[in-house]
Amino acid sequence: AQTVTQSQPEMSVQEAETVTLSCTYDTSESNYYLFWYKQPPSRQMILVIRQEAYKQQNATENRFSVNFQKAAKSFSLKISDSQLGDTAMYFCASLTGNQFYFGTGTSLTVIP
Amino acid sequence: DAGITQSPRYKITETGRQVTLMCHQTWSHSYMFWYRQDLGHGLRLIYYSAAADITDKGEVPDGYVVSRSKTENFPLTLESATRSQTSVYFCASSESSVASGGRAQYFGPGTRLLVL
Repeated sequence: AQTVTQSQPEMSVQEAETVTLSCTYDTSESNYYLFWYKQPPSRQMILVIRQEAYKQQNATENRFSVNFQKAAKSFSLKISDSQLGDTAMYFCASLTGNQFYFGTGTSLTVIP
Repeated sequence: DAGITQSPRYKITETGRQVTLMCHQTWSHSYMFWYRQDLGHGLRLIYYSAAADITDKGEVPDGYVVSRSKTENFPLTLESATRSQTSVYFCASSESSVASGGRAQYFGPGTRLLVL
């Protein structure tokens, strides 16, 4: 079975600072995709960023970027210039075949 | 642009009753998924469907039944609800699998189910 591990249940960061959320995954597939989703208190799941495993270049979306280390099976999310609206639960996920696998989440609090 | 909707948003039922959670998407996505979200477990896949009339089990399918007679609908039925099925249920849809481009899933707003 595929596994996605988020080892930081909770994190906090000062507003305007940078924070990195960790994620490791386990797959024997050569072709897969990785995602970070954000779940604010409203409970809606929102796509933050997507990475194709065959691309070495790290994906970026405005203040959000990833550090994709394929050999280490690591996929961390960096949030720059943290904003109060970034307070949420963050889930790392992998897509292998036609199934998505999610980590248990990291609760991020941005402190004013 | 309704996207993906779930109904009801909140449901209280009793042990042993049958409950159906509805999911509807307007994008004509091929893939649809049902997850449950419980504290400490993240999102766990219950069932998924690759197309109309094609469904498959996920990680935690016991006690649940799905059907997909139309591409846009993917109802989830709890045949005889148990307290352990108290959870938040999310429906999601996606255009593709890894083989066809690996696009992201899009989620509905969730249904909070309480089984007494």
